Amino acid sequence: GAVVSQHPSRVICKSGTSVKIECRSLDFQATTMFWYRQFPKQSLMLMATSNEGSKATYEQGVEKDKFLINHASLTLSTLTVTSAHPEDSSFYICSARAFGADTQYFGPGTRLTVL
Amino acid sequence: DQQVKQNSPSLSVQEGRISILNCDYTNSMFDYFLWYKKYPAEGPTFLISISSIKDKNEDGRFTVFLNKSAKHLSLHIVPSQPGDSAVYFCAANQAGTALIFGKGTTLSVSS
Repeated sequence: GAVVSQHPSRVICKSGTSVKIECRSLDFQATTMFWYRQFPKQSLMLMATSNEGSKATYEQGVEKDKFLINHASLTLSTLTVTSAHPEDSSFYICSARAFGADTQYFGPGTRLTVL
Repeated sequence: DQQVKQNSPSLSVQEGRISILNCDYTNSMFDYFLWYKKYPAEGPTFLISISSIKDKNEDGRFTVFLNKSAKHLSLHIVPSQPGDSAVYFCAANQAGTALIFGKGTTLSVSS
């Protein structure tokens, strides 16, 4: 149990375009989902927390207009990187947590490369 | 300010021996602690957790120890296997909040 999927696993796009990443909890209802970013050989940096049906809470320094997060259902959250630039190239990972639970389960990650 | 610290970036152990991964934290409000294992280009996999009301939790070859007075936890892997080679992240949170991760320790188990 506790499987989280992400799609796509890898995406290459041109500078200035927008990219959408999906995160799904496959066998549980995720009242809260988290989006992380990881640079090479660095820790996971929390970008934002989203609760189903409400606006995401962004960490300091993360532009909410650039990284649009939607958590419209208990099994799906999306991260849209708008007007992507090469510096947005990174490994994006989502995680999901069920209501009242402490453990977060992570998706496999999405490698974004912006040319 | 780093709230969760893994001061050893790497650890090398021989197969069959014990691996001990350490983690320190500064926030005394943390009440839940977890260890995750991560391979390159993959998401972290949950390994084991412990709540602040306990000082030990065991699951197969993995045991987590928590010393609240020292704000220190450790993960013991016995016996270590080559397949355990990965990056191990320590994480902590206060109930309902997002996890705070350490920078990770790369474990290499040689056969």
